[in-house]
Amino acid sequence: DIQMTQSPSSVSASVGDRVTITCRASQGISSSLAWYQQKPRKAPKLLIYAASSLQSGVPSRFSGSGSGTDFTLTISSLQPEDLGTYYCQQANSFPLTFGGGTKVEIK
Amino acid sequence: EVQVVESGGGLVQPGGSLRLSCVTSGFAFTTYAMSWVRQAPGKGLEWVSAIGADSAGTHYADSVKGRFTISRDESKNTLFLQMNSLRAEDTAVYYCARPISGRAGTRWFDPWGQGTLVTVSS
Repeated sequence: DIQMTQSPSSVSASVGDRVTITCRASQGISSSLAWYQQKPRKAPKLLIYAASSLQSGVPSRFSGSGSGTDFTLTISSLQPEDLGTYYCQQANSFPLTFGGGTKVEIK
Repeated sequence: EVQVVESGGGLVQPGGSLRLSCVTSGFAFTTYAMSWVRQAPGKGLEWVSAIGADSAGTHYADSVKGRFTISRDESKNTLFLQMNSLRAEDTAVYYCARPISGRAGTRWFDPWGQGTLVTVSS
């Protein structure tokens, strides 16, 4: 199985800050990676797919990059509504696996 | 509007069974693979199972293999998850999730349902 490791596990930043979350796969997955945002007591929401493609309706301050084993989600200017937990997911092969999550808090 | 709505969760004793349903609408259900993903209380996301379009192939997480069965009823646009031999560690919110396109091999999900809570406890 492919293991997905996210860091950091939590981040606290101010409105307007740039926030970067990383995800590392235990083996190469090409660009088969997605990022989700989950707000408390809500279902996850897809932000980025194929490592860098922005899902329709998602604000352009979210961006993704990377390929192979190392990936990054960047929020260019943190907004209050961005609080929540962010997960990466590899889609290269079954079983599909998620990272452990990164909790984003607003200072 | 694309919708997926889960039901069937509840309280069940260890060793018991439960059948989850996911009723879909707003898209051509027969052309999409579907998945179940769960989230234990206070924990992260865990993919559980997937079924191909027209039931063309099924996949399971090792943690549920041999105990859970995924299926679909194309006439009712409905996805199912039959859960047998339930354990305390199966306690979670179970989400039904649809890939963003019907293209084979698409395995990133949007939309997700609101989830249904399964609690396994005596």
